[in-house]
Amino acid sequence: QVQLQESGPGLVKPSETLSLTCTVSSGAMNSYYWSWIRQPPGKGLEWIGYIYYSGSTNYNPSLKSRVTMSVDTSKNQFSLKLSSVTAADTAVYYCARAVGGTVISLWGQGTLVTVSS
Amino acid sequence: DIQMTQSPSTLSASVGDRVTITCRASQSISSWLAWYQQKPGKAPKLLIYKASSLESGVPSRFSGSGSGTEFTLTISSPQPDDFATYYCQQHNSYPLTFGGGTKVEIK
Repeated sequence: QVQLQESGPGLVKPSETLSLTCTVSSGAMNSYYWSWIRQPPGKGLEWIGYIYYSGSTNYNPSLKSRVTMSVDTSKNQFSLKLSSVTAADTAVYYCARAVGGTVISLWGQGTLVTVSS
Repeated sequence: DIQMTQSPSTLSASVGDRVTITCRASQSISSWLAWYQQKPGKAPKLLIYKASSLESGVPSRFSGSGSGTEFTLTISSPQPDDFATYYCQQHNSYPLTFGGGTKVEIK
């Protein structure tokens, strides 16, 4: 059964770049849309964007200027970079697999990233 | 962006009561609506997509209905494991957007 696992620093300083990687435990990454979603503590869910296995991307316009996603199918990994972070970017970040790019059918366990000096 | 509004934000119910959660979209999304369940400290779990299609493995006491701008999630006879927070999400257009959540508590 496919599982997703986020990894990366749990603490990032303001103005720096948040970097996370998601490892897909088994199975090919082909034909799926690999997504990132975040949830500030005690709040709702925000879609960050997706990267298709081929490398094409679709980002939330509210974050587009600061987001970069990449995929490495040989390592079964995809990654998120969010630049110029502020305290407002403090959240649990989930990596996920989306069917057709729109329905989130499989989620990682999530990782809390705190932005603080 | 399409705005998704859920009501109520909190709901108290007893085991076995019928529970209904409403989700409204700021514009028509046809039937492109999903529902997720989230328990504290855990990732959301997909329950329903395309308004009424039950995800594999989800108990049949969960059902969804609606189209256009108004949708409902019904739990016919909630079990103790069902007390959680529920989110709707439109999957009609990008950016994908979620409702604010409905917390279902035990009365």
